[in-house]
Amino acid sequence: AQSVTQPDIHITVSEGASLELRCNYSYGATPYLFWYVQSPGQGLQLLLKYFSGDTLVQGIKGFEAEFKRSQSSFNLRKPSVHWSDAAEYFCAVGTSGTYKYIFGTGTRLKVLA
Amino acid sequence: EPEVTQTPSHQVTQMGQEVILRCVPISNHLYFYWYRQILGQKVEFLVSFYNNEISEKSEIFDDQFSVERPDGSNFTLKIRSTKLEDSAMYFCASRTQGAGELFFGEGSRLTVL
Repeated sequence: AQSVTQPDIHITVSEGASLELRCNYSYGATPYLFWYVQSPGQGLQLLLKYFSGDTLVQGIKGFEAEFKRSQSSFNLRKPSVHWSDAAEYFCAVGTSGTYKYIFGTGTRLKVLA
Repeated sequence: EPEVTQTPSHQVTQMGQEVILRCVPISNHLYFYWYRQILGQKVEFLVSFYNNEISEKSEIFDDQFSVERPDGSNFTLKIRSTKLEDSAMYFCASRTQGAGELFFGEGSRLTVL
């Protein structure tokens, strides 16, 4: 069965510092991979996605993620965090073989001024 | 920019009552979803709907739940007899055919008393 693991429940970084949020997936087929961000009381906004091709993908708000098949990972990165990046971040996986997209448990990001 | 809209934004109901949550997916999308997020927890898949039928559902989606696309634009989630544990934020999402990201609505917060 497909699964997504986000090992870090909470992460705190200082404004201007770099950020990496981890995501590991378990899936037999070639996955579609996504990162979504959720601000308090809001819906989920897509940051970036990977379907195929270049394994380093760029998203909105200066985020990027790298697909590493050998590690079953799709980690999200940002070189310099802004206070407005404080939110919950969800990794998600789907494939062409299923209609179901599975979400990780989320990582809550706190940014210190 | 096209968006998924959900109504109501917040509904309070008594245990045992029926609730219908409504969604208007993006007009050219073909796959429709309901997800649930209990406060502070993960985003859980409930059901996917394609070609006027359920394509996949989770173990959460038991006989108390049903979905319908009554016309060309609305997509509804009905909970027949609500329980306290149904209190959550319910998100509708839609996507195009083939590989594609989910577009989420802002959510409907259901509170069961």
